[in-house]
Amino acid sequence: GAGVSQSPRYKVAKRGQDVALRCDPISGHVSLFWYQQALGQGPEFLTYFQNEAQLDKSGLPSDRFFAERPEGSVSTLKIQRTQQEDSAVYLCASSLGTSREQYFGPGTRLTVT
Amino acid sequence: QKEVEQDPGPLSVPEGAIVSLNCTYSNSAFQYFMWYRQYSRKGPELLMYTYSSGNKEDGRFTAQVDKSSKYISLFIRDSQPSDSATYLCAMTIGSNYKLTFGKGTLLTVNP
Repeated sequence: GAGVSQSPRYKVAKRGQDVALRCDPISGHVSLFWYQQALGQGPEFLTYFQNEAQLDKSGLPSDRFFAERPEGSVSTLKIQRTQQEDSAVYLCASSLGTSREQYFGPGTRLTVT
Repeated sequence: QKEVEQDPGPLSVPEGAIVSLNCTYSNSAFQYFMWYRQYSRKGPELLMYTYSSGNKEDGRFTAQVDKSSKYISLFIRDSQPSDSATYLCAMTIGSNYKLTFGKGTLLTVNP
């Protein structure tokens, strides 16, 4: 079956531009997570949805970051007024119900110039 | 000090070697422990998932958890060039499902 998909795979943005990153979780997966992975580092938690409810957004680094999952399936991570420090790989993961086994997508590599 | 510490390596071994990868953690509330493998420009792939202290084996992979020492390990037997990747440890606190990752260890298995 299809895994987690993310688009675009690569995004180059000029500093100050807004970007939107999309995640399609595995069908039927209730939980959805966003992580940020800087070069040479492990992923760091950004936010967590259970269905359409955003239950934890404690990892979002600033109010320029916003995530939504309006119908409980596809999710979008939006970054406003991008800065160079936002350059990273943004990973989406989904899991079935309350399972702790998270399945990751390939990530979107964002480069801010 | 980060909650999860992992030596980033790099680690280079010959094919067939036994590989030992380790993480230490400071938060005794962590209860669930995972190992992920990440190939270059790919997302992390779950390899092993353990809850209690002790060993769990899956093929060539063995995960070990020592909660008293706050220390987890992953052993790879008969390592293959296809095992060359970054290995990430991750852990989570009970009902809080967000994962806290180590930095990852870059492993190269040379033919």
